[in-house]
Amino acid sequence: NAGVMQNPRHLVRRRGQEARLRCSPMKGHSHVYWYRQLPEEGLKFMVYLQKENIIDESGMPKERFSAEFPKEGPSILRIQQVVRGDSAAYFCASSPSAPPNTGELFFGEGSRLTVL
Amino acid sequence: GNSVTQMEGPVTLSEEAFLTINCTYTATGYPSLFWYVQYPGEGLQLLLKATKADDKGSNKGFEATYRKETTSFHLEKGSVQVSDSAVYFCALCKTAGNKLTFGGGTRVLVKP
Repeated sequence: NAGVMQNPRHLVRRRGQEARLRCSPMKGHSHVYWYRQLPEEGLKFMVYLQKENIIDESGMPKERFSAEFPKEGPSILRIQQVVRGDSAAYFCASSPSAPPNTGELFFGEGSRLTVL
Repeated sequence: GNSVTQMEGPVTLSEEAFLTINCTYTATGYPSLFWYVQYPGEGLQLLLKATKADDKGSNKGFEATYRKETTSFHLEKGSVQVSDSAVYFCALCKTAGNKLTFGGGTRVLVKP
């Protein structure tokens, strides 16, 4: 009965490197959401994906950030040329295949990115 | 746009004290409202929800009532325990697709 699995839990990168964060949704869930939590702040929506489609990326920075959710395998959030301001906790959440407007998301434990 | 405002923490309480965390929202129409809880080192978990005006959500001794007239969804618990120490997030959902808008979170620390 695995929940949402994220890895790595902790990631350290130097400025200019790339960060890849992975998320496997709960079994049977085909909707994935990425949120970012900056230190001492709330969660900010980044992107909403279904299998092979980006549904809403209104919260994604226009540059350096990208997300995918391929037909096979986990969803990946990719940050290129990281800067110190990217240091945050990145949470993935999933929901069942046919969302009405329930708002119940199932969250992973987060990936904490530190940029040196 | 949609927004959620909740009281800043940290809130420090003694065991068995009464807890209130204020939450107000701004949204057009009739959003669904939620409280999520984040225990140390873990992801968020849904604590309770209400989908229409005057609904009361409840779970684990926590309650919150959807007040459309004051656009509020305050969280309450009559007698907190040490295990309730966590960060509590108020959130709303307006659009299709379960896209949540969160408040800034309130850290609660319950001391024995």
